[in-house]
Order: sequence, then C-alpha cells, then structure tokens
Amino acid sequence: KAGVTQTPRYLIKTRGQQVTLSCSPISGHRSVSWYQQTPGQGLQFLFEYFSETQRNKGNFPGRFSGRQFSNSRSEMNVSTLELGDSALYLCASSLGDRGPANEKLFFGSGTQLSVL
Amino acid sequence: AQSVTQLGSHVSVSEGALVLLRCNYSSSVPPYLFWYVQYPNQGLQLLLKYTSAATLVKGINGFEAEFKKSETSFHLTKPSAHMSDAAEYFCAVSGTSYGKLTFGQGTILTVHP
Repeated sequence: KAGVTQTPRYLIKTRGQQVTLSCSPISGHRSVSWYQQTPGQGLQFLFEYFSETQRNKGNFPGRFSGRQFSNSRSEMNVSTLELGDSALYLCASSLGDRGPANEKLFFGSGTQLSVL
Repeated sequence: AQSVTQLGSHVSVSEGALVLLRCNYSSSVPPYLFWYVQYPNQGLQLLLKYTSAATLVKGINGFEAEFKKSETSFHLTKPSAHMSDAAEYFCAVSGTSYGKLTFGQGTILTVHP
C-alpha cells in the first residue's frame, strides 16, 4: 500500500505570493490533517478534513485554508505569504471514522516551504 | 485542553546504553498518548500509542513506554540503543478531536559509537 504522498517536496516563494500544497492519503483513508512544523513553534495543528468537510481547525489566520476532494485528496492554500510562513508542512491521513481514540495518523514526508 | 512537555531537548547515549526520553502530559480528559519519531528530511513515524488498554505499551524497533497516571508521565525507553535510533522523538496527546494531536517540542537523540 502506498503511503501518504505530498507534493511538491520543496517550494520557494516570495512574500505576498500564494501557494498550494497537495496531499494524497493512504488508499481507504478519508481523514486528512495538516500540520505546520517550525524550529521555534514545533508542530502545530492547522485543520482536519473528512468527507470533503472541515471538522477541526487550529489557531491559524484565515490566510491558511484547505479543501478536500471526493477522492479524499486534500490541498492546503496559503495566501499573502509572510516570511514567518517558512516551514515544513506535513499532512497525515487516517480512517477518520473509528473514534479519535482508535485513530492512527500516518504522516507524509512533508513540503518544505521557503518564503523569501 | 491538552499539553505535553518533553524534558530535555537533546539526549546523548552510547550505543548499547539505555535510552530514556521523558514526557509529561496535562489533559482535562482521559488522554490518548503517542510517541512519534522523525528522521532527517522525513515525516513522522508512529512508534507506539497508549489508549488505556495497558499501562505498558510496546512499540516498534524495541521501544516501549509506560503510562503513569499518578505522575502524569509517558516516558519512552529502549534497553539498548542502536546507531539507527538517532532521530528526533515527539510525544503527543489527543483528546476528542479527530486528526488533532498536541505535540511536545521534541527530543533529539544522539547515539555515540
């Protein structure tokens, strides 16, 4: 079974631009979560999607948005990029319907975003 | 609300020595606790998960963790370190929300020959 696939692996953007990151979950997984990882703030939860609906959201500004398609693939968009958005963005997939206690998150290798 | 504190941002051991990585949690609901490992330039890999079935949880690669409610701890151990164990380790807690884990700041494990 293929794992969680994130594309692209690396991105370089300039301030003010927008960016879209993609995540393909493990086959059969319907939940996709997104995390931001930085040296200063560590791993922080952005949001989670299940069956094309956002179920949970972290404490990030509205510039960060996401969506999920009918095949469970998910995209994350960041508009008006700031220098502080430079980070490793990780997505994770899980079945999404067994109760949070029974869920196991499987992570992709991430997209390294650099904002210049 | 849940939170996790990992004691020690860096731990260094000799190959063959005991590995002990410390994690304390705070949770207003019964916690579900995890340990993840991250190798350079890779995502997170689940080592083990506690869900109240047993206080001693065995994971992959010879790691195990013991849940101690009285100490609000979930420390990760391995009897004998290998060079391949060098990585960053994260403790995490979840509550009642799908997909939302609260991570500690991570502990970088260095293994010396």
